[in-house]
Amino acid sequence: ETGVTQTPRHLVMGMTNKKSLKCEQHLGHNAMYWYKQSAKKPLELMFVYSLEERVENNSVPSRFSPECPNSSHLFLHLHTLQPEDSALYLCASSLGGGLDNEQFFGPGTRLTVL
Amino acid sequence: SQQGEEDPQALSIQEGENATMNCSYKTSINNLQWYRQNSGRGLVHLILIRSNEREKHSGRLRVTLDTSKKSSSLLITASRAADTASYFCAPHSGTYKYIFGTGTRLKVLA
Repeated sequence: ETGVTQTPRHLVMGMTNKKSLKCEQHLGHNAMYWYKQSAKKPLELMFVYSLEERVENNSVPSRFSPECPNSSHLFLHLHTLQPEDSALYLCASSLGGGLDNEQFFGPGTRLTVL
Repeated sequence: SQQGEEDPQALSIQEGENATMNCSYKTSINNLQWYRQNSGRGLVHLILIRSNEREKHSGRLRVTLDTSKKSSSLLITASRAADTASYFCAPHSGTYKYIFGTGTRLKVLA
């Protein structure tokens, strides 16, 4: 257990569905991250929030919409996804973005888009 | 952006042998971190080495850093089947950007 939980662990959705991924951290961290991991590709940093403000948004399609209502919770809202969006979505948190901060990852949500 | 590139992409060794993985990066860093990922799971932080350090140990792990060559290596000694995983380096410039590569897939055969 890393102190970062993600739900659901597995999700299958059609291209017209709307779903949300949830991440919660119990570590008192200030920064939270969404990553996408596809087979044989580097981890893609999607979004970063620090103290509930978005600080990084790496050219992610608008069909992915993040939400950070407080420093412990992070959501990724999904709508009209494409089959190529099927991947493992990882949430992480860190104390901040500064020196010597390590990231703590959740177990991931395995998303399949049909 | 600063991305670590791990080498080799895949490595298969016998239990008890040592495993060495390498990481190269392009720009200056404040520290470099190594992570492990078991199949289909999240990443777990292993070790952090600062830019002014040359070598660091943690249990069976030994990390070296050569900032002049912009490279790092991770050595796992006396490997075990449980070390089978993917290993990622993350060069860190002190911002929110932790950029990972595709990793080294290590398989330790019993």
